[in-house]
Amino acid sequence: EVQLVESGGGLVQPGRSLRLSCAASGFTFDDYAMHWVRQAPGKGLEWVSGISWNSGSIGYADSVKGRFTISRDNAKNSLYLQMNSLRAEDTALYYCAKESDGGEYFQHWGQGTLVTVSS
Amino acid sequence: AIRMTQSPSSLSASTGDRVTITCRASQGISSYLAWYQQKPGKAPKLLIYAASTLQSGVPSRFSGSGSGTDFTLTISCLQSEDFATYYCQQYYSYPPITFGGGTKVEIK
Repeated sequence: EVQLVESGGGLVQPGRSLRLSCAASGFTFDDYAMHWVRQAPGKGLEWVSGISWNSGSIGYADSVKGRFTISRDNAKNSLYLQMNSLRAEDTALYYCAKESDGGEYFQHWGQGTLVTVSS
Repeated sequence: AIRMTQSPSSLSASTGDRVTITCRASQGISSYLAWYQQKPGKAPKLLIYAASTLQSGVPSRFSGSGSGTDFTLTISCLQSEDFATYYCQQYYSYPPITFGGGTKVEIK
């Protein structure tokens, strides 16, 4: 059974940094691209970033480009999101999602980790 | 970036109703479209991919159609467990992946 477990969220002041982690199990992690998707309170889904199986291809939403860095450690079956220069508008539930075999859509999601940016 | 526009943003329906949700892409995306269902406090659930392919385990009352710029999600006979928010997502042009704004299906 595929499991994705996010961690690292919390309350952080504007301008500070936070690192999210996603621990994956139940599948061959280094066979799949992985993504982060966020959802602000009461709002819709927003794709944040994605990384290919070998980290050779990485993409970011314009809203986080230059501030967030996605990475992965295949030896540890883990996905990361380094978030710097955080803003109030980054407040959201951050989901880790596994890319499906057929393309960049998501059958498997974690439960999410909440990031609150506030002074 | 390709913009995905869903309509309506919300609707009220009764159990047993046929419900149709529309998603329009700002440019052609062939059939690279997925639909998700999300209930409060839960992660999204994949319903349909490739515009019309039902994800394994999803009830057959859900169906998807369309290609190019215009797509629909239809629930043929609404059940109580179907009251939720639905999102479309394009994966034709990546990055970025883009989602529609969501359609909340509420009980009439």
